[in-house]
Amino acid sequence: TQLLEQSPQFLSIQEGENLTVYCNSSSVFSSLQWYRQEPGEGPVLLVTVVTGGEVKKLKRLTFQFGDARKDSSLHITAAQPGDTGLYLCAGGGWSDYKLSFGAGTTVTVRA
Amino acid sequence: GAVVSQHPSRVICKSGTSVKIECRSLDFQATTMFWYRQFPKQSLMLMATSNEGSKATYEQGVEKDKFLINHASLTLSTLTVTSAHPEDSSFYICSALLAGGRDQETQYFGPGTRLLVL
Repeated sequence: TQLLEQSPQFLSIQEGENLTVYCNSSSVFSSLQWYRQEPGEGPVLLVTVVTGGEVKKLKRLTFQFGDARKDSSLHITAAQPGDTGLYLCAGGGWSDYKLSFGAGTTVTVRA
Repeated sequence: GAVVSQHPSRVICKSGTSVKIECRSLDFQATTMFWYRQFPKQSLMLMATSNEGSKATYEQGVEKDKFLINHASLTLSTLTVTSAHPEDSSFYICSALLAGGRDQETQYFGPGTRLLVL
């Protein structure tokens, strides 16, 4: 059973459209991290959010951490084919630095 | 900064042999590293936590005698898959913990090692 539920599992959109990926849990996390992984490679860190209610913007990507520190979202504006990949959210533990990963959302942006 | 490397990137071995995978933090020191396993189209599954200078701690269901972990220095952890069998074929990924301020308790991942056991 995944501690973090990601939705949707798959997302296919046209270049220029917007998309949102959700990450939800009944557990409270010390931090929430988002990674993007391409086939045959390791996950690459996109952002770490640590404060409930925090919003971080990185160019076309907007990340939000829920007030209760149980959920997060990733919003991409004007998606590009280069945004294609597996997006993983991961919740940080309070004392052992372990990460609990969601199942991932596979995003495909068609040119 | 925060670059983690793995070697080899791909390895093919015969059933019954042992395979060693190295994980290095190239530009920072990491007292804690993690080893994950990932099956096709699935998320990462934590196998064990590697602690510099002490024994690794394994997740439930992971055989410590099967997956030997050594973290002999602040920049290197190794995972040895002993007596490998075809069911051990998988994508193995390590991460290194960059600790500092609260915002820096972040895991940085290596590029992964594809293991195929024939």
